[in-house]
Amino acid sequence: NAGVTQTPKFRILKIGQSMTLQCTQDMNHNYMYWYRQDPGMGLKLIYYSVGAGITDKGEVPNGYNVSRSTTEDFPLRLELAAPSQTSVYFCASSSPTGQGYGYTFGSGTRLTVV
Amino acid sequence: AQSVTQPDIHITVSEGASLELRCNYSYGATPYLFWYVQSPGQGLQLLLKYFSGDTLVQGIKGFEAEFKRSQSSFNLRKPSVHWSDAAEYFCAVGARGNEKLTFGTGTRLTIIP
Repeated sequence: NAGVTQTPKFRILKIGQSMTLQCTQDMNHNYMYWYRQDPGMGLKLIYYSVGAGITDKGEVPNGYNVSRSTTEDFPLRLELAAPSQTSVYFCASSSPTGQGYGYTFGSGTRLTVV
Repeated sequence: AQSVTQPDIHITVSEGASLELRCNYSYGATPYLFWYVQSPGQGLQLLLKYFSGDTLVQGIKGFEAEFKRSQSSFNLRKPSVHWSDAAEYFCAVGARGNEKLTFGTGTRLTIIP
């Protein structure tokens, strides 16, 4: 059982370049999330999705875009990369039940913009 | 809006000593509360969670946490730490119908021999 898989694990981008961070889950979870983690700041929600075809902004969406064409995949797109987007990005998924829920996280993508 | 405060940025304890990591939350209704652990270079792993019922919850790796509504707290405890417990710990709050978690800034735990 792979859980949540993120690729790539590391990436260096130049200012102004674009890239897509991939996230796939094999648990048939409806909910998926993208967070960024910066030192001393905890995790901040970028975008989330409650199902295929439905996405919404989180706390820090500027400079990012997402799509959710299937239940399994939730890619995060960075357009015109900026140094402020240097961070560690985590994808997560969950499936709320009557007993609540809990996130399953991927192992992260460390992105540096230079 | 919901929020979480972890007042301790860094804690150092001796191996075998007891541990308590503090977490205070702000939320208008009954919260869902979580503790996650992150080892260096890894993703976050769920330690335990509180949704309802018994306010003392048991988690993996010998951790427990107690929900105290009157103090808006959900402190994490372990009676005797092991060197492998060195990691960063995050408290998070969510709610029924609002599965977007809000995370605290984390507490880094160092274990000394």
